Amino acid sequence: KNEVEQSPQNLTAQEGEFITINCSYSVGISALHWLQQHPGGGIVSLFMLSSGKKKHGRLIATINIQEKHSSLHITASHPRDSAVYICAAPLLNFGNEKLTFGTGTRLTIIP
Amino acid sequence: EPEVTQTPSHQVTQMGQEVILRCVPISNHLYFYWYRQILGQKVEFLVSFYNNEISEKSEIFDDQFSVERPDGSNFTLKIRSTKLEDSAMYFCASSAGVGLGTEAFFGQGTRLTVV
Repeated sequence: KNEVEQSPQNLTAQEGEFITINCSYSVGISALHWLQQHPGGGIVSLFMLSSGKKKHGRLIATINIQEKHSSLHITASHPRDSAVYICAAPLLNFGNEKLTFGTGTRLTIIP
Repeated sequence: EPEVTQTPSHQVTQMGQEVILRCVPISNHLYFYWYRQILGQKVEFLVSFYNNEISEKSEIFDDQFSVERPDGSNFTLKIRSTKLEDSAMYFCASSAGVGLGTEAFFGQGTRLTVV
């Protein structure tokens, strides 16, 4: 079955801690997306990456295509980082970018 | 920065009523998608649309659903006769192309509540 798996499902950490969220997928992909879902439900795209590493502010995303694994890291975490983080990938490309989503990781940063 | 916009942000409807969810994709994008997220569950693909026709649909997208691009800018999802289980967050997305390097952009979602 073509799937995207995330871990952990829930993560609670103290402000300032380094955060890692993991994502693995079952088949080859062209690129992987990391998304952030706010408490109100809206989705914001954080990264799209197909190889290596990308950095945006305190967020870093890495991907290992051979191992079918990606990680999202947050440095110096802050309460405003509290959200659900979702990875998604086009697992079967039938000529569109239909995404298969992971179940999300609910991150709570405590002041 | 260009963005995908969805209206309304929240809609409450009675079971059996028809609803139309609206999306304005980014203007030069060619591929359009609807996704759904039932409360507490993961986001699921509903349908993709390219060149004025459906390119792929999931098993969720049955005969009560339809999509349309009526005027070259809006992209709509119609649910003909809503059921309680249609209550969910509906997301529209668009992309300029497909394949390596193509990024999908998401709207903020429409929360549909069927009562």
